[in-house]
Order: sequence, then C-alpha cells, then structure tokens
Amino acid sequence: AQSVTQLDSQVPVFEEAPVELRCNYSSSVSVYLFWYVQYPNQGLQLLLKYLSGSTLVESINGFEAEFNKSQTSFHLRKPSVHISDTAEYFCAVSTGFQKLVFGTGTRLLVSP
Amino acid sequence: GAGVSQSPSNKVTEKGKDVELRCDPISGHTALYWYRQSLGQGLEFLIYFQGNSAPDKSGLPSDRFSAERTGGSVSTLTIQRTQQEDSAVYLCASSRGGTDTQYFGPGTRLTVL
Repeated sequence: AQSVTQLDSQVPVFEEAPVELRCNYSSSVSVYLFWYVQYPNQGLQLLLKYLSGSTLVESINGFEAEFNKSQTSFHLRKPSVHISDTAEYFCAVSTGFQKLVFGTGTRLLVSP
Repeated sequence: GAGVSQSPSNKVTEKGKDVELRCDPISGHTALYWYRQSLGQGLEFLIYFQGNSAPDKSGLPSDRFSAERTGGSVSTLTIQRTQQEDSAVYLCASSRGGTDTQYFGPGTRLTVL
C-alpha cells in the first residue's frame, strides 16, 4: 500500500518570501506523484505532476517540485509567493493509473 | 467544454435516510472516481469506474455505500441509512484513463443531522 506524509499542516509566510511544502511518500513499487491545490471555496485543481523523465517539474504559476527517489520525497517550492497563493495544497501518489492516495494537506497562509 | 459537475451542491438529511449523489464527468472521459473529504479523515478514495465497471471499490467504507455508472457517463453514489459520520464533502473526478490528469468536480457537501 502507498501512503503520503505532509508533516506541516500549516505554513505561514510573508508575501514575496520563498516557501517549501514538504511531501514524503511510501511505496514498494514505482509511483506517479501529484500536487493538487484547493483555493478557498473551490474544488481541487492539479498544480503539477511527475510521471517520468526529468525529476524537476514546474507549474505555470511559478511552483516547482522535484522527485527524489532516494529520499522518497516530492517537495513543492516557490521562490516568491503571492497573496493569491493562499490555499490548501495536497500531495498525492498513484501507482496503477487508478486511485490517488492523498496526504493530509498543508494550508499555505500568505500575509502582506 | 464543461468540467465535472456534481449535484446537489449541498444536501442536508436526517440520520437513517437514504441519499443519492450525482456526478456528470467530462464528456469522453472513460475513468470516473469518487472521493470523500472530511475533517477527520482527509481525502479518501471510495471507488473507481472504468466505463461502467468498477474494478476498484476498496474504499467504500461499508455496505451502506454503493455506486453505479451507466452509459459510461453519469455516476450515482448512494448512501443508505445515513449516519452522522457520513457527513463530508463527496468529490467526483474523471479522466481519460491511464496517467491522464484527474479533473475534480466542485463536490457535494453532505450533512447528516
């Protein structure tokens, strides 16, 4: 079985500061990794995903994540956050192209 | 094209009643998923459909929960004899299958009094 750990339930940060949201996974087989974002009162949206190839993946709004197989991690980073990045971020893992197993989420709070 | 739609958006029911939640996937998406989001349990997988078949229903929490999909399109999640612990947001997602992105609907917020 797979599992995902997001150790930080909440991350407060000031606008324009860098941020890292941590994600570690456990699996005995190869995995595909995802970050989803849930803005206040909205549904889940895919932010970025790692399927194969380059271990560094980027989103259109400046986030990036790096797949580290040896550390079983897929941390999400952004060099400079905006107020509009305030949201809950979920890391997820999949193996057989089927269900996603989600972490418990990290609430990113960006203040001016 | 429209995204995944779910109805109703909110449902309040009394303990012991049955409820039906509906999901309309993106047109052409063969795979459909149900998840549940609750404060205590986070985001949990319930069931996966490929076409009209459900090869993985391992996440259904009890036999009070069932789901079906007809015509390779609309899906209905039914909860019989609802309990207070069933209160949650029920999310539906669809994809073209394989490693294609799962697109989520806005969810149905179920409150069991």
